[in-house]
Amino acid sequence: GAGVSQSPRYKVAKRGQDVALRCDPISGHVSLFWYQQALGQGPEFLTYFQNEAQLDKSGLPSDRFFAERPEGSVSTLKIQRTQQEDSAVYLCASRGHSGNTIYFGEGSWLTVV
Amino acid sequence: KNQVEQSPQSLIILEGKNCTLQCNYTVSPFSNLRWYKQDTGRGPVSLTIMTFSENTKSNGRYTATLDADTKQSSLHITASQLSDSASYICVVGAGGGADGLTFGKGTHLIIQP
Repeated sequence: GAGVSQSPRYKVAKRGQDVALRCDPISGHVSLFWYQQALGQGPEFLTYFQNEAQLDKSGLPSDRFFAERPEGSVSTLKIQRTQQEDSAVYLCASRGHSGNTIYFGEGSWLTVV
Repeated sequence: KNQVEQSPQSLIILEGKNCTLQCNYTVSPFSNLRWYKQDTGRGPVSLTIMTFSENTKSNGRYTATLDADTKQSSLHITASQLSDSASYICVVGAGGGADGLTFGKGTHLIIQP
């Protein structure tokens, strides 16, 4: 596709429910990033993939957060047993092999009630 | 700890006026500095990227400057338009695979007619 595509755009989850957020990066982009953005804050790094390899997951806040990119394209961020503090926008971004620009998707807005 | 501080936190100006947003950072090592525009409810969109050797870069009515010695950057917007209303986020990269990006909290800019 022309840009980074994320789904769902909006998700309301009951506390304790598992959620899965999908990211479809720009075709051919090697690097894929996940960020968490709380209201009124800048994005915070969660994890980074180069192709299918998860090279950095230092930003994942707990073991309830899990990300995968099994075929080096689409990625899924899974949050288990959601809690209210998980409410945020989850941004996915991708970057090409030779480029420097990081392109962001529109985000998945998660609200845990 | 790597930090990016932006000022002002919010700004209101009249359409057609110019404005300058500030960014101070303490990120080491330094690789690059980026300015992003984030419309409400949308993902960030890249405006400029500067490396250590660049001290100015323009993108239409947006001009970014970088002083790597004082670790300061500014984003100047000329002849503001209503569509410039957004959050402007300063992002500093430390390099490496995940780019080691540190995001500021953004300056919320409102253009009034």
